[in-house]
Amino acid sequence: QLQLQESGPGLVKPSETLSLVCTVSGDSITSIRFYWGWVRQPPGKGLEWIGNVFQNGNTYYKSSLKSRVTMSIDTSKNQFSLKLNSVTAADTAVYYCVRTLRYLDSWGQGTLVTVSS
Amino acid sequence: EIVLTQSPATLSSSPGDTVTLSCRASQSISTYLGWYQQKPGQAPRLVIYDASNRATGIPARFSGSGSGTDFTLTISSLEPEDFAIYYCQERYNWPHITFGQGTQLE
Repeated sequence: QLQLQESGPGLVKPSETLSLVCTVSGDSITSIRFYWGWVRQPPGKGLEWIGNVFQNGNTYYKSSLKSRVTMSIDTSKNQFSLKLNSVTAADTAVYYCVRTLRYLDSWGQGTLVTVSS
Repeated sequence: EIVLTQSPATLSSSPGDTVTLSCRASQSISTYLGWYQQKPGQAPRLVIYDASNRATGIPARFSGSGSGTDFTLTISSLEPEDFAIYYCQERYNWPHITFGQGTQLE
């Protein structure tokens, strides 16, 4: 059974870099069909797609976040990661890692990241 | 960027009712639209993909329709567990996607 698990600091200071890792179990991250991505949800607000990464390392980011986002994939560990730099309070959100093939069919439980000094 | 506008923002209903949620795209997206259900404290769950196809394990009371710019999600004979927030998502420019702002069914 596929499971995705986010991990990383729950508190990040303004202007610093948010770093999260998603560990995938029950499926290989090198599966030819799927992309792996990140979605966030500010408290009490809607869903925002951040980006996707494919097994070959190709990345696709939301245009408004592109300058601050880096995603990567580590096939040896069956993990993929998110880095978001120069964070502000507006980046406070629950961050979900997802498996996606056109639609997001599997989600992690989400991890709350708060940006605060 | 494609903008998805969901209406209404909040929909009040009762168990046993039939409800229709709307999602409108800022340009034609063929049938490249999905719907998700999110309950408090939980991750979203895919309900409908490609406008009208139920995802695995989704009851038949959920149905989707539409193409082009106008889409609907209909839930027949509401069950108590159906009260949640519903989001639409387009994949027209895959691997880029966008979400609507959500409809709360209460």
